[in-house]
Formats: sequence, structure tokens, C-alpha cells
Amino acid sequence: TQLLEQSPQFLSIQEGENLTVYCNSSSVFSSLQWYRQEPGEGPVLLVTVVTGGEVKKLKRLTFQFGDARKDSSLHITAAQPGDTGLYLCAGPSSGGSNYKLTFGKGTLLTVNP
Amino acid sequence: GAGVSQSPRYKVAKRGQDVALRCDPISGHVSLFWYQQALGQGPEFLTYFQNEAQLDKSGLPSDRFFAERPEGSVSTLKIQRTQQEDSAVYLCASSFRRGLMNTEAFFGQGTRLTVV
Repeated sequence: TQLLEQSPQFLSIQEGENLTVYCNSSSVFSSLQWYRQEPGEGPVLLVTVVTGGEVKKLKRLTFQFGDARKDSSLHITAAQPGDTGLYLCAGPSSGGSNYKLTFGKGTLLTVNP
Repeated sequence: GAGVSQSPRYKVAKRGQDVALRCDPISGHVSLFWYQQALGQGPEFLTYFQNEAQLDKSGLPSDRFFAERPEGSVSTLKIQRTQQEDSAVYLCASSFRRGLMNTEAFFGQGTRLTVV
């Protein structure tokens, strides 16, 4: 079974600070996705990374896929209260299915004004 | 509607009661997924439909769980004889293509089920 471990589990910071959250596995993934889930809502896709070593930027968010495609990180610059939410990483489950996602437990980020 | 719609948003059921959760996917989306998200956890796969065909139900926790999508659009997740461990948020998602290759899954807001 492929597992995705996310750290830290909880993170509370002040507005304007920078932060990095991590998604690690002992298994190789063909791609990884990052989602943000706000309270009472479903997850919303932020980015998909597919190439080892890939770096993608989305405004103040920078996503990196590890060279070995076993890990990924999300860096947020100058965090804002609107960044508050549960950040989930997910990857295709093993077995060749192209429809089943394995999710990590998430990092719950709180950005205080 | 513009997005995936789930109803009800909240459901409280007495232990042993049957419940039915509805999902209206985005119009024209071929694929439909159900996930279960327990408190403090990430979503876990339950089942996958491609049009009206249920291609994978390996994630359904027990035979008390049943899902259908008879006309390839609206889907219903039914849980019989609910137990306290069934308490969770049930998320539905849909995607335009078959599976998730080169496409995105759009999630609904979920149904929060509490079994008392």
C-alpha cells in the first residue's frame, strides 16, 4: 500500500511569515497533486507535478517534486489569512489505476492576522 | 449547476438507520468518485463510476455500503444499518474524462454524516 505522510500535521503562523509543508513517501509516484480544503468544503486542486525535480509556482505558492518522485513540498511566501486551510497531497494509487487517488492526512494551516 | 452538488449537507442518523446520500456531478462528466473523509484524515477512496458502470468498489468498507449511478449522471451512496464508525464526511467528485489522466477531479462540498 502506498502511503503519503504529510508534515507538520498542524501549523499556526502569523500573517506575513513564510512556511513549507512536506509530503513524503517510500514509494515512487508518477505524479503528485496538492489540494486545499477549507472548512465545510471539498478539496480544490492547486497543482499537479509530474516530472522529477519539477518546480511550479502559483502566485505566492511554490511546489516542488523530488528528483526521485517520492516526495514533494509546498512553500508559501508571505502567508495571508486567506491561505488558511487543510493542505492535502495526493497521488495515483498503485496497481495501474488511472482513477484512484491516495491522499495524505494533510497539514492544517492557520494564518493569524 | 456549475459545480458538483451534494445533498443533504448534514445528516444525523440513529444507529441502525438507513441513509441515502445524493451527488449531482457536473453535467457531461463521465467519471464519478466517492470518497470518505474521517475527522482529521485525508479522503479515502470508496468507489468509481464511468458513466453508469461501477468499475471499482474496492474501497467500500462493508456490504452495508452500496452505490449506484443508474443513468450515468446522478449518483446515490446508500448506507444500511448505520454504525457509529460510519460517521464521516462523504465526498463526491467528478471529472470530464475517463479516470484522472490529464484531467482534474472536481469535488463537492460533501455530506457530513453523524451516527448517534
